[in-house]
Amino acid sequence: AQSVTQLDSQVPVFEEAPVELRCNYSSSVSVYLFWYVQYPNQGLQLLLKYLSGSTLVKGINGFEAEFNKSQTSFHLRKPSVHISDTAEYFCAVLNNAGNMLTFGGGTRLMVKP
Amino acid sequence: DGGITQSPKYLFRKEGQNVTLSCEQNLNHDAMYWYRQDPGQGLRLIYYSQIVNDFQKGDIAEGYSVSREKKESFPLTVTSAQKNPTAFYLCASTHPHGGSTGTDTQYFGPGTRLTVL
Repeated sequence: AQSVTQLDSQVPVFEEAPVELRCNYSSSVSVYLFWYVQYPNQGLQLLLKYLSGSTLVKGINGFEAEFNKSQTSFHLRKPSVHISDTAEYFCAVLNNAGNMLTFGGGTRLMVKP
Repeated sequence: DGGITQSPKYLFRKEGQNVTLSCEQNLNHDAMYWYRQDPGQGLRLIYYSQIVNDFQKGDIAEGYSVSREKKESFPLTVTSAQKNPTAFYLCASTHPHGGSTGTDTQYFGPGTRLTVL
């Protein structure tokens, strides 16, 4: 069975500071990983995904993530955050059949002025 | 514009009543999903459907039912058997490429917040 662990439930950070949101996964075979963002009272929006190829994946809104197979991690980073980045971020892994996502518990990013 | 719509946005229900949440998509996606989200928790899968007239239980199907009579629609009924139905419900869809290609991005609707009074 696959699982996803987001180690930090909340991450407070000042505006224009860098941020890293951590995600570790367990998966027995091929790994397909996703990061989604959820703004208050809204659905989830895809930030980026890793399917294959380069381990550094760039997404929308200036976010990027690095796939590290040896550490089974897929951490999300942004060099300089804005107030508008305040949201909940979810890491997810696709199952081997390609038809189900398993989500982590989410990390609430709180950007302070 | 293509997308997924969920209605209503907010829903109130008395204890003991069944209630149905709507999910419609015009993306021509084959697969549709229902998730439940509780405060401070991730998403948990209730039901999913890979094709019309077929659906499978997810991790927390008890107290819920679904139907998939049309490709575009995947309504979720929260029955009186669901002990703690107050939550945020999210519908998603995707167009599977088949097998384990792993290229299936799920697209989400805006959600319905259900409150039991």
